[in-house]
Amino acid sequence: ETGVTQSPTHLIKTRGQQVTLRCSSQSGHNTVSWYQQALGQGPQFIFQYYREEENGRGNFPPRFSGLQFPNYSSELNVNALELDDSALYLCASKLSGRGNYGYTFGSGTRLTVV
Amino acid sequence: SQQGEEDPQALSIQEGENATMNCSYKTSINNLQWYRQNSGRGLVHLILIRSNEREKHSGRLRVTLDTSKKSSSLLITASRAADTASYFCATVQGGGADGLTFGKGTHLIIQP
Repeated sequence: ETGVTQSPTHLIKTRGQQVTLRCSSQSGHNTVSWYQQALGQGPQFIFQYYREEENGRGNFPPRFSGLQFPNYSSELNVNALELDDSALYLCASKLSGRGNYGYTFGSGTRLTVV
Repeated sequence: SQQGEEDPQALSIQEGENATMNCSYKTSINNLQWYRQNSGRGLVHLILIRSNEREKHSGRLRVTLDTSKKSSSLLITASRAADTASYFCATVQGGGADGLTFGKGTHLIIQP
């Protein structure tokens, strides 16, 4: 098992720019979800992909979008960055369809918008 | 939005003591999970309890679930300095397509 890996680990962008964050899911996992965690808060669910289709979305605007690829890696894209988008972005994967399992999280990407 | 609240927000105990954290949530759930986070990095899955279970053990961890009160507790026995971290409960509703809904967490400090 290789776990979940995210890249980059840190990123600084300017307000109004666009950013793409990447996630490689744990081997064999077919579900990936993304979370935004502001300082001192719990993670907030952005969206989830299952077999390349978005099957769940939290309360985030359309400028937050994503993709899941056939190898189950995924991307989170954020357009028109705002200062409040500064946060730790976490990717998590799991194997759906065989009972209840917890998610495996990556170490996150720390995004700072200036 | 946050599904629930952990209580207390912060907890400081001596090494060797037991630590108890509580979690309350608002809606019906499929299962409830506890995660640990060290220094603002990735979360580590600790334990999952299904809505039809009342208690579960894993090593030094004991989790209880009371669906009538919409609450859960996490007990860490014989705490160690390495247990210092933030602990989050997270709920899964329905089929799980809405991912995990987290509380704000309990920051646990184990004093050596």
